[in-house]
Amino acid sequence: GEDVEQSLFLSVREGDSSVINCTYTDSSSTYLYWYKQEPGAGLQLLTYIFSNMDMKQDQRLTVLLNKKDKHLSLRIADTQTGDSAIYFCAESEGGSGNTGKLIFGQGTTLQVKP
Amino acid sequence: DVKVTQSSRYLVKRTGEKVFLECVQDMDHENMFWYRQDPGLGLRLIYFSYDVKMKEKGDIPEGYSVSREKKERFSLILESASTNQTSMYLCASNSGGFTDTQYFGPGTRLTVL
Repeated sequence: GEDVEQSLFLSVREGDSSVINCTYTDSSSTYLYWYKQEPGAGLQLLTYIFSNMDMKQDQRLTVLLNKKDKHLSLRIADTQTGDSAIYFCAESEGGSGNTGKLIFGQGTTLQVKP
Repeated sequence: DVKVTQSSRYLVKRTGEKVFLECVQDMDHENMFWYRQDPGLGLRLIYFSYDVKMKEKGDIPEGYSVSREKKERFSLILESASTNQTSMYLCASNSGGFTDTQYFGPGTRLTVL
């Protein structure tokens, strides 16, 4: 079945760039997503990318998609302590029609040190 | 402002109790989802519903059931709670289609003693 994999932990210093990586297996996924979960809260959508795009930039966030290698990354420029959170990669389930089902990765905990 | 609310933030129950987790969305969304979140495992889909009275099993439905009598409300039921159901439970909704993000509630942390 479909699977999404992420490393579990990343630590960076404030002001550095963070890169969170994700691999997925379903080549028919139409959209890929990045969600952020702050402590004690639900998930919030950060950004998403359509599968026919290679890159999407939104302020400090850059998403890169390598469809051949089924690899997705999220780069956060000038990382701040407020960026400390769990980041989830997700893919839309191929062939699911309009159910809007997503397959989530394990989540990467980003720790930003002052 | 979109909103998904869950009935409790924290819940403590005893083994064998029947547990109800309630989720309400105010966005007139067709689809609603229940996930559980465990460290290192990410989010796993328990059940989802794409219409009133309709439900489909997710990846880990065993030990759970759901109810959707009204469009805005989706309930998760643990018929007989067990300690391995101690987890964070997240509800989400969307209006369907790949471009529609899922909106999440704040989560219910359930502890079964």
